[in-house]
Amino acid sequence: DAGVIQSPRHEVTEMGQEVTLRCKPISGHNSLFWYRQTMMRGLELLIYFNNNVPIDDSGMPEDRFSAKMPNASFSTLKIQPSEPRDSAVYFCASSFGTVYQPQHFGDGTRLSIL
Amino acid sequence: SQQGEEDPQALSIQEGENATMNCSYKTSINNLQWYRQNSGRGLVHLILIRSNEREKHSGRLRVTLDTSKKSSSLLITASRAADTASYFCATDDSRSAQKLVFGQGTRLTINP
Repeated sequence: DAGVIQSPRHEVTEMGQEVTLRCKPISGHNSLFWYRQTMMRGLELLIYFNNNVPIDDSGMPEDRFSAKMPNASFSTLKIQPSEPRDSAVYFCASSFGTVYQPQHFGDGTRLSIL
Repeated sequence: SQQGEEDPQALSIQEGENATMNCSYKTSINNLQWYRQNSGRGLVHLILIRSNEREKHSGRLRVTLDTSKKSSSLLITASRAADTASYFCATDDSRSAQKLVFGQGTRLTINP
């Protein structure tokens, strides 16, 4: 079975530009998570969805960040406008069910804002 | 918020030796999970232990949980070069069992 698929794998852009990260969860999984990983702060949960509905976005750093899940097989994380401090690796993960379930991670998008 | 803290931050051992990593957390949990991350890749789930369990095994992995001490350990026996990776513990958030809070990880290096 295909795992969680993220695109692009790498993104380099100038500050002020809009960045869109994409995620395709594992088929049949009904929970989707967006994380950000940096050396300084480790792995942080930004937002998660259950059955395509955002449940908790308390980790979203500011209004420049937004996430959508229009259907069960696709989600986007958008940063507009981007800033150098947004540089990080962004991971998408999915799981089946709501609690006590392992999360399956994609290989991430390495984002560099110049 | 509660967060697992791994100890040590880095560990380097010879192939064939056992590797032990520890995780401490702050508040009560429903479950604790261990993940591995190879360089440049996403995290891979290794094992989940529930709060009413004390020990779990999976192949060469052994996880223990001591809820009275709010700590867990991950033991990898007969280590291999392929075990070189970062290892993270994750606990569920007290406000939401579905949210996981990850520690900073232990960087494990297996020397051939």
